[in-house]
Amino acid sequence: DGGITQSPKYLFRKEGQNVTLSCEQNLNHDAMYWYRQDPGQGLRLIYYSQIVNDFQKGDIAEGYSVSREKKESFPLTVTSAQKNPTAFYLCASSSLYTRNYGYTFGSGTRLTVV
Amino acid sequence: GIQVEQSPPDLILQEGANSTLRCNFSDSVNNLQWFHQNPWGQLINLFYIPSGTKQNGRLSATTVATERYSLLYISSSQTTDSGVYFCAVEDSNYQLIWGAGTKLIIKP
Repeated sequence: DGGITQSPKYLFRKEGQNVTLSCEQNLNHDAMYWYRQDPGQGLRLIYYSQIVNDFQKGDIAEGYSVSREKKESFPLTVTSAQKNPTAFYLCASSSLYTRNYGYTFGSGTRLTVV
Repeated sequence: GIQVEQSPPDLILQEGANSTLRCNFSDSVNNLQWFHQNPWGQLINLFYIPSGTKQNGRLSATTVATERYSLLYISSSQTTDSGVYFCAVEDSNYQLIWGAGTKLIIKP
């Protein structure tokens, strides 16, 4: 079955550590996205990528970094510069050329700073 | 930028009731999507509906693009319908602009 896989489901980070969240899709989608969701809030865009080896900052990119070396993969690194990283992180993908199905989301990663 | 407003912010219903959720947007958009986020955080795309009406089982959606609104109808609500319903519109750069969501609680 095609879909998006995020790992891990839960992640605990110590102060000052960098952590990397994984996102893999087998939908052959061109575009991939990372969102952050805080409790009781909507989604905010961190980064997005429409083609391999290219990505763009979203609304809250500070303290985060991404790479897009393969079409299927879009990992997100939460760096020590992100002062309040505890949140729910969602990865999504979409096709830019067949527009009938919208976005598909992964099941998310809950990151907690301990 | 485009503004997306959803109403009501919260809705509590008894099982079996019908409900209508509304999404208003401030400018022309490429498309509109409705999502359901379950209590575990999973976001499911319900409808991709830039205009017109679509139905999927007990759910249906209507978007009137010329008047800049969309409605999501849920009939015969079940407890599994609980969660947050988000409306998101796509701007000219293919980016999603999200509403704040409607939190729906269905009581047994």
